[in-house]
Amino acid sequence: IAGITQAPTSQILAAGRRMTLRCTQDMRHNAMYWYRQDLGLGLRLIHYSNTAGTTGKGEVPDGYSVSRANTDDFPLTLASAVPSQTSVYFCAVGSGTNTGELFFGEGSRLTVL
Amino acid sequence: GQNIDQPTEMTATEGAIVQINCTYQTSGFNGLFWYQQHAGEAPTFLSYNVLDGLEEKGRFSSFLSRSKGYSYLLLKELQMKDSASYLCAVMDSNYQLIWGAGTKLIIKP
Repeated sequence: IAGITQAPTSQILAAGRRMTLRCTQDMRHNAMYWYRQDLGLGLRLIHYSNTAGTTGKGEVPDGYSVSRANTDDFPLTLASAVPSQTSVYFCAVGSGTNTGELFFGEGSRLTVL
Repeated sequence: GQNIDQPTEMTATEGAIVQINCTYQTSGFNGLFWYQQHAGEAPTFLSYNVLDGLEEKGRFSSFLSRSKGYSYLLLKELQMKDSASYLCAVMDSNYQLIWGAGTKLIIKP
């Protein structure tokens, strides 16, 4: 049972490079989210999507973009990476639009030098 | 602003009971959630409270007082595998989850 797959698991990236973090689910849930987790801080929402074809901005969207072409995939793109984007990124899915019960992927650890 | 406060770190003994507190100030309230996160792993859902009172689920219980903006997670019969971070999150009036920084629980034999 895959659930939620994130790729890559870990990546070191030079500043200024473009990077896409992939997230795929086989749970057929509508709501998907991208969070970043930094030491000493709570999870912060970057972008979300309530259903295929729609996206919204979270708490910290600057420097990131997302797309939701279908139910299963929700990629996160850093157009021009900066060191402050060094973080662990988690993709999550929710069984409903307004549910706080989320299922998380295993995370992608990104280091921007 | 919106704020979730929980202790940074707690230590407890195997077999004992520990209570992890969470206080919140948010714009609206649509439920409080507890998650467990082992080091290097993803968070996993533990419990959900939307009404005042205690919700029990095996060795874990969660309590909510909306008037006080307060919740706690109670872990009984602690096991070494309970060593993890415990994240408190509140769903605000916009149905967005606001997350605390987490409480790292260290279990000693």
